[in-house]
Amino acid sequence: GIQVEQSPPDLILQEGANSTLRCNFSDSVNNLQWFHQNPWGQLINLFYIPSGTKQNGRLSATTVATERYSLLYISSSQTTDSGVYFCAVPKEETSYDKVIFGPGTSLSVIP
Amino acid sequence: SAVISQKPSRDICQRGTSLTIQCQVDSQVTMMFWYRQQPGQSLTLIATANQGSEATYESGFVIDKFPISRPNLTFSTLTVSNMSPEDSSIYLCSASGTRGDEKLFFGSGTQLSVL
Repeated sequence: GIQVEQSPPDLILQEGANSTLRCNFSDSVNNLQWFHQNPWGQLINLFYIPSGTKQNGRLSATTVATERYSLLYISSSQTTDSGVYFCAVPKEETSYDKVIFGPGTSLSVIP
Repeated sequence: SAVISQKPSRDICQRGTSLTIQCQVDSQVTMMFWYRQQPGQSLTLIATANQGSEATYESGFVIDKFPISRPNLTFSTLTVSNMSPEDSSIYLCSASGTRGDEKLFFGSGTQLSVL
């Protein structure tokens, strides 16, 4: 089955710094989603991004499906950005909604 | 976006007992799923909850251990049966919309501890 990798596994940032998180996947996918799990465990869907670039405030994401990777950019980080960031892709090339998750990037933003 | 309510939010259970987790979505959704998140780990898909029919289980998960119901388009339950300490995890309900809008949303999870 499809394999998903994320890097870096851990990241510590000073408040105000920028960062880039990466998600690599082993096979063609027809969509990709980014999630943030806050320190209380709640999962928030940040982006549904099969291809191209999307922006939402200080966050933006780019997926290059032909090269099998996606990037999540966090600018001017805040302490509330702390938590774990997951990317998720469909389990099979022909499916859309049965998704599997990468191992995550744990982000700590310190004041 | 769908709002998903899950209960209980946490429970402490004795070995050998069963716990049923409820998931309610505020609108009709096409797909509902159950995930498990073991301590410090990523999410693992347990099964797809199919409306009006048996759930579809992923490799490593069986109906006898994790029976699932989905009587309608807004509600599902997951039962963790004959629990052991290895079942201590967060269990999460999720839902997505129609084809072309498969953005996935999650409930707040059920933190289960088995003694």
